[in-house]
Amino acid sequence: ELVLTQSPGTLSLSPGERATLSCRASQSISSSYLAWYQQKPGQAPRLLIYGASIRATGIPDRFSGSGSGTDFTLSISRLEPEDFAVYYCQHYGSSPRAFGQGTKVEIK
Amino acid sequence: QVQLVQSGAEVKKPGGSVKVSCKASGYTLTRYYMQWVRQAPGQGLEWMGIINPNGGSTSYAQKFQGRVTMTSDTSTSTVYMELSSLRSEDTAVYYCARERSGCDWWGQGTLVTVSS
Repeated sequence: ELVLTQSPGTLSLSPGERATLSCRASQSISSSYLAWYQQKPGQAPRLLIYGASIRATGIPDRFSGSGSGTDFTLSISRLEPEDFAVYYCQHYGSSPRAFGQGTKVEIK
Repeated sequence: QVQLVQSGAEVKKPGGSVKVSCKASGYTLTRYYMQWVRQAPGQGLEWMGIINPNGGSTSYAQKFQGRVTMTSDTSTSTVYMELSSLRSEDTAVYYCARERSGCDWWGQGTLVTVSS
């Protein structure tokens, strides 16, 4: 069964810095079906990226996704105060639609 | 404007069952699959399963096989998730989420508390 492993568990950065989050799949998956979400406390997740690299509607261009096969990356070029949150990757398109365990981006 | 409106919070006893509804508006329910995802307090997102409202086919996470049932009612644009044999570990916020190139719309979440 597909397992997505995110690293690091927590990323401590300052506003304005670059964040790089990793999502590694236990087996090769199509990049067409890799999504990234942002979740803030008390809120539902929000879709940031789908198809590994396509920004969802309304997502600022400081968010970018890349990768293929088993290794995928979410980058945030310059952290804004509202970007401090938890980020999840997910494989969709075939079941099980696994989630990674999440990466928390916190203020240093 | 797409909306997914879920039913309200529930408190259930161990061994019981809960049925959460998710009413879709702003689009045709049968056009997109619907995922169900849960999140225990302080924990990550856990995928439970998915339903194709166009025909009702389902796929469940192995962990929930035999305990979860997802259904849809196209006449009311509503999907349902029923979880049985509840235990304390099922205490969580349950979300429905429309799958269209990832989950682009989410319900507000339904808190289910399992407690004796």
